[in-house]
Amino acid sequence: EVQLVESGGGLVQPGGSLRLSCAASGFTFSSSWMSWVRQAPRKGLEWVATIKQDGSVTYYVDSVKGRFSISRDNAKNSVYLQMSSLRAEDTAVYYCARTSSNNWAASPSYDWGQGTLVTVSS
Amino acid sequence: DIVMTQSPDSLAVSLGERATINCKSSQSVFYSSNNKNYLAWYQQKPGQPPKLLISWASTRESGVPDRFSGSGSGTDFTLTISSLQAEDVAVYYCQQYHSPPPFTFGPGTKVDIK
Repeated sequence: EVQLVESGGGLVQPGGSLRLSCAASGFTFSSSWMSWVRQAPRKGLEWVATIKQDGSVTYYVDSVKGRFSISRDNAKNSVYLQMSSLRAEDTAVYYCARTSSNNWAASPSYDWGQGTLVTVSS
Repeated sequence: DIVMTQSPDSLAVSLGERATINCKSSQSVFYSSNNKNYLAWYQQKPGQPPKLLISWASTRESGVPDRFSGSGSGTDFTLTISSLQAEDVAVYYCQQYHSPPPFTFGPGTKVDIK
């Protein structure tokens, strides 16, 4: 059974930083692209970032480019989202998702974690 | 970037009746090289993460009831629930994953029981 468990969320002041983690199990982590998707309170879903199996390719939504960084550690079956210069509009539940297992990022998100809440407020 | 729209914003359907949700992309998400539409449908129930229902516009995921079906091609897509059940109350999102990213979602359609 695929399990994705996010952690690291919490309350942070505007301009601050936070690092989210996602621990994966139940599938061959090193063979999968991984993504982060967020959902602001009472709002829809927004794709945030995606990383290739070996970490060599990453993609970001424009609104987080230069502020967020996705990375992974295949030895620990974990993917991370380093968030800096946080803004109120970054407040959301952040979901980790398993995506493609081929050479291309173009894939639906097959499995999702329960999410971790990030609140940016003074 | 590809913009996704959905209609209606919400709908209420009687138990056992058909529910139809439309999704439109601002440009085609069809790849002629592999004859695939890069379009997925997700279901999100309150307090839960999204669940993938349909990928490649019409491929039902394992374990998804066959009352859910997806259709369409190019820029216009439809999710149909043929006979609405109480457990289908949720918000439904479409997403395009046509390269390159961003892989944008539609705004969602809320389905309730009439």
